[in-house]
Amino acid sequence: KAGVTQTPRYLIKTRGQQVTLSCSPISGHRSVSWYQQTPGQGLQFLFEYFSETQRNKGNFPGRFSGRQFSNSRSEMNVSTLELGDSALYLCASRPIGTGFNIQYFGAGTRLSVL
Amino acid sequence: SQQGEEDPQALSIQEGENATMNCSYKTSINNLQWYRQNSGRGLVHLILIRSNEREKHSGRLRVTLDTSKKSSSLLITASRAADTASYFCALDTGRRALTFGSGTRLQVQP
Repeated sequence: KAGVTQTPRYLIKTRGQQVTLSCSPISGHRSVSWYQQTPGQGLQFLFEYFSETQRNKGNFPGRFSGRQFSNSRSEMNVSTLELGDSALYLCASRPIGTGFNIQYFGAGTRLSVL
Repeated sequence: SQQGEEDPQALSIQEGENATMNCSYKTSINNLQWYRQNSGRGLVHLILIRSNEREKHSGRLRVTLDTSKKSSSLLITASRAADTASYFCALDTGRRALTFGSGTRLQVQP
């Protein structure tokens, strides 16, 4: 089975721009979560999607949004980029109904905001 | 904070030695998980221990959990250079989102 795929792997943007990141979960996994990882704040949960609905949300401003498609693929959007948005953005998927919340992570998208 | 706090923040050992890292937390948990992250890459799940378990083994990994002290430890025996990575504990509190610890950076010198 192919793992979680995130595209692009690297991205450079300037302040004020917006960006869209993409995530394809493991086949059969219907839940997709997004995390932001920075040296200062560590790994922070952004949101989780299941059945095209946001099920859980972390403490991030409304500039961060996401969606999930009927094939479980997910996108994350950040509008009006700030320097502090520079981070590794990680997507993780999991199957539903297995009893444990074990996350399977992609390699991440490294976003640099200049 | 519900987030796990790990110590040490960094650990450097020689190949063949054992590595121990600790995770402390403040909330009730359903289970605690450990993940490994190679530099700049995604996290890989290593092992899960349920709240009613005290110890679990998987290959060279040994995890302990003390819910009365709200702490867990991960022991990697006979470390190899390939074990060089950051290690994170993750708390499953029953909410859908895992909360991750601050991580321990392990350097195994060949």
